[in-house]
Amino acid sequence: EAQVTQNPRYLITVTGKKLTVTCSQNMNHEYMSWYRQDPGLGLRQIYYSMNVEVTDKGDVPEGYKVSRKEKRNFPLILESPSPNQTSLYFCASRGQATYEQYFGPGTRLTVT
Amino acid sequence: GQNIDQPTEMTATEGAIVQINCTYQTSGFNGLFWYQQHAGEAPTFLSYNVLDGLEEKGRFSSFLSRSKGYSYLLLKELQMKDSASYLCAVSTSGGSYIPTFGRGTSLIVHP
Repeated sequence: EAQVTQNPRYLITVTGKKLTVTCSQNMNHEYMSWYRQDPGLGLRQIYYSMNVEVTDKGDVPEGYKVSRKEKRNFPLILESPSPNQTSLYFCASRGQATYEQYFGPGTRLTVT
Repeated sequence: GQNIDQPTEMTATEGAIVQINCTYQTSGFNGLFWYQQHAGEAPTFLSYNVLDGLEEKGRFSSFLSRSKGYSYLLLKELQMKDSASYLCAVSTSGGSYIPTFGRGTSLIVHP
């Protein structure tokens, strides 16, 4: 089954404790991206990647890092999480020949 | 930068027709997406318009006017399961087609 997976789905952590949210797709898609979704603000793009080793900042990259060492994986790294990074995070992927983005199920992160 | 504007909330009756508008201001416009998102779930793709005009897909249709920076999503024969957020998003030049989203319109369908 074609899908985008994210782990963990839910995470409660404390300020300053490094964490990684994994994202993996099995569709051999070139493009992958991370979004955060907050009430009243909609989906905002954090980072995106157009292929292995090619990443670029989205609209709200501060406090986040990404890497794209393999085509299928695009982890989101929070080196020192802060409470303002409490949010719902979505990973998405898209193939080069299509417009449709496929979203993962979301990761709900709470930073206390 | 990009500015995407859509109503925050709309209500409609089961069986009726509803039109959700979206206006945008952006440079290097490529096309416009509509996504549906049920509460607590991931967005799912509905449509992508590149050219002016109306595209119909079952009960859902999407319209684009590039010169006016305007789009709408038309939902016919509304069902209760259509209660969801509808997200308008634009893609811009650069080739990535990765969309930038508006804040979404929450549609409530009541009996």
